[in-house]
Amino acid sequence: DAGVTQSPTHLIKTRGQQVTLRCSPKSGHDTVSWYQQALGQGPQFIFQYYEEEERQRGNFPDRFSGHQFPNYSSELNVNALLLGDSALYLCASSLAAHTEAFFGQGTRLTVV
Amino acid sequence: DAKTTQPTSMDCAEGRAANLPCNHSTISGNEYVYWYRQIHSQGPQYIIHGLKNNETNEMASLIITEDRKSSTLILPHATLRDTAVYYCIVRFDYKLSFGAGTTVTVRA
Repeated sequence: DAGVTQSPTHLIKTRGQQVTLRCSPKSGHDTVSWYQQALGQGPQFIFQYYEEEERQRGNFPDRFSGHQFPNYSSELNVNALLLGDSALYLCASSLAAHTEAFFGQGTRLTVV
Repeated sequence: DAKTTQPTSMDCAEGRAANLPCNHSTISGNEYVYWYRQIHSQGPQYIIHGLKNNETNEMASLIITEDRKSSTLILPHATLRDTAVYYCIVRFDYKLSFGAGTTVTVRA
């Protein structure tokens, strides 16, 4: 049983560019959440998708947007990249609230 | 979400039990206590969660005090592979709010 898979694993972008990160949830899971983890800090919640809709959002600007597809996979898009967007981006999937969320290995984004 | 307080770091001897404390004095009645760990450069790994009762699984035990203001994660026989950052999280809604966690180093 494949767990949560994310692609790509590493990415280098230039300031001002746009980036799309992808996530496939664990089999049977219908909810996908995205987190940003800066170096030396804990992960910070960006948003969560359920039934192809954004269900909850953290304190991130509108430059961060997402999408969930009918097969429950998800994308995270970041526009107008800033140097401060350099981080590990984590995707987590779950089946419902108050159940454990399973995390992928993350995408390491470097903005230069 | 209720705030949690954990020690910044702790050491543990291999083969011994590791007891990780967490204070959550402002926890509400419908908030769960979750524990995750993160081994360097990997995604966080779910360990255990509970509401009121003590819980045990193949990885660890979770002891929640009767007033629910604190909890302890117990790793019964720590190994070198248990070296990681451990996060105690109080969860009400859909998101997980990670703090700084406790860096646990298991020494041979």
